[in-house]
Amino acid sequence: AQSVSQHNHHVILSEAASLELGCNYSYGGTVNLFWYVQYPGQHLQLLLKYFSGDPLVKGIKGFEAEFIKSKFSFNLRKPSVQWSDTAEYFCAVNAANRDDKIIFGKGTRLHILP
Amino acid sequence: SQTIHQWPATLVQPVGSPLSLECTVEGTSNPNLYWYRQAAGRGLQLLFYSVGIGQISSEVPQNLSASRPQDRQFILSSKKLLLSDSGFYLCAWSHTSSFHNEQFFGPGTRLTVL
Repeated sequence: AQSVSQHNHHVILSEAASLELGCNYSYGGTVNLFWYVQYPGQHLQLLLKYFSGDPLVKGIKGFEAEFIKSKFSFNLRKPSVQWSDTAEYFCAVNAANRDDKIIFGKGTRLHILP
Repeated sequence: SQTIHQWPATLVQPVGSPLSLECTVEGTSNPNLYWYRQAAGRGLQLLFYSVGIGQISSEVPQNLSASRPQDRQFILSSKKLLLSDSGFYLCAWSHTSSFHNEQFFGPGTRLTVL
């Protein structure tokens, strides 16, 4: 069965700092990968997703993630964070060929200091 | 455009009382529907999903149940609530009968069992 591991539960950064949130998954086959974000008081929403093709995926609000198959990783990055990026971020995976359910990580709470 | 509604937004119930949380989707037909529970530091736990009317798959054994009486209505129920049922319940939908599609989340219901 698939599983997702997010390395950091809580990250605190100052504005303009660079961000990288780690995500590793366990599954030997082809996967679809997602990052979801939940801003304070808002619905959980999709930030970006990878299905196939270019392993560097660009999402909304300047976020990007890189799929490294050999490392089973899908880390989320942003070169310069803003206070408005304060939110909880969830990595998720599903087994593509089996069309299986999406498994979410435990989330990383990001707090940006103004 | 599609929208997803959940109610109530918050609920405080005594142990042993029944539960009914409702989720409805507008603007789409035959969606996949999902119930998740979000607990702090534990991510999103998939509870139930449905690919059609009357079709419910349960992911975790517990005292909760789900029903889908209409195409765009998904109900989460319990006959007798436990303290451990407290949490934030999210309903989500996706476009087709395929898990890899983006899931759209509702605003959630915060349930407190006393």
